[in-house]
Amino acid sequence: DVKVTQSSRYLVKRTGEKVFLECVQDMDHENMFWYRQDPGLGLRLIYFSYDVKMKEKGDIPEGYSVSREKKERFSLILESASTNQTSMYLCASRPMGGIPYEQYFGPGTRLTVT
Amino acid sequence: AQTVTQSQPEMSVQEAETVTLSCTYDTSESDYYLFWYKQPPSRQMILVIRQEAYKQQNATENRFSVNFQKAAKSFSLKISDSQLGDAAMYFCAYRSRENAGGTSYGKLTFGQGTILTVHP
Repeated sequence: DVKVTQSSRYLVKRTGEKVFLECVQDMDHENMFWYRQDPGLGLRLIYFSYDVKMKEKGDIPEGYSVSREKKERFSLILESASTNQTSMYLCASRPMGGIPYEQYFGPGTRLTVT
Repeated sequence: AQTVTQSQPEMSVQEAETVTLSCTYDTSESDYYLFWYKQPPSRQMILVIRQEAYKQQNATENRFSVNFQKAAKSFSLKISDSQLGDAAMYFCAYRSRENAGGTSYGKLTFGQGTILTVHP
C-alpha cells in the first residue's frame, strides 16, 4: 500500500513564526503536491514538485515556499506565519507515467496560527 | 484555467435511499479526467470513482455511479442504497489529460465540496 505521512495531525503556531510542514511518501513517486483545504473553498493547490529540487507554483503560492531535497520528502514552509494561514494542509503524491489516475493523500495537518 | 463548482454545500439522505451530488466544471480542453473523492471524518481522502472524458459510458463502482454529460460539462455522483459509512465530505475534481511531455503532472482542480449526512 502507498503511504503518505505528514509530520503532525495538529499544529499550533504563533504569528510570525517560521513553520515547517513535512510530507513523506514511501512509493518512489516523482510528483508531490501541497494543497490547502478551507470550508467553502475546497482544496487549492499551493505548490507541487515533479522531481528532486524541482518545484512549480500552484494557484495560491503567496506566503509559502517548498523544499524537496530528497525524492520521498516534500516540505511546505511558512516563512512568517499569519492568522490567514490557519487551515488544513494536505500533501499528496503520484507516480509520473504510472496509472494516470491516482493521487495518494496524506492524513492532513490542521494548522492554527494565533 | 479550469474551474469546478459544487453548488450543494450540504445534502442529506436516509439510509438505504439514493442521493445525487452535483458538479459542474468549465474547461476548454477536450480530453480530461473527472473524479469524485470522499473525505470522512478521519480526513483521509479516498478516491470513489473516476471518468475519462473520451469515454461515453458512465463509470460505475458498486453503489456509486456517475452521470457524465460532456456537452453540459456536468458530472454528478449517484449513491444508491446509502449507508451510514457514506457520511463524509465529497469533492469533485478535474485533471487534464497528461500530455506527451508530462507537464500537467497530474494536478487536480477541486470543487468546494458537499457534506453528505446519512440518517438512520
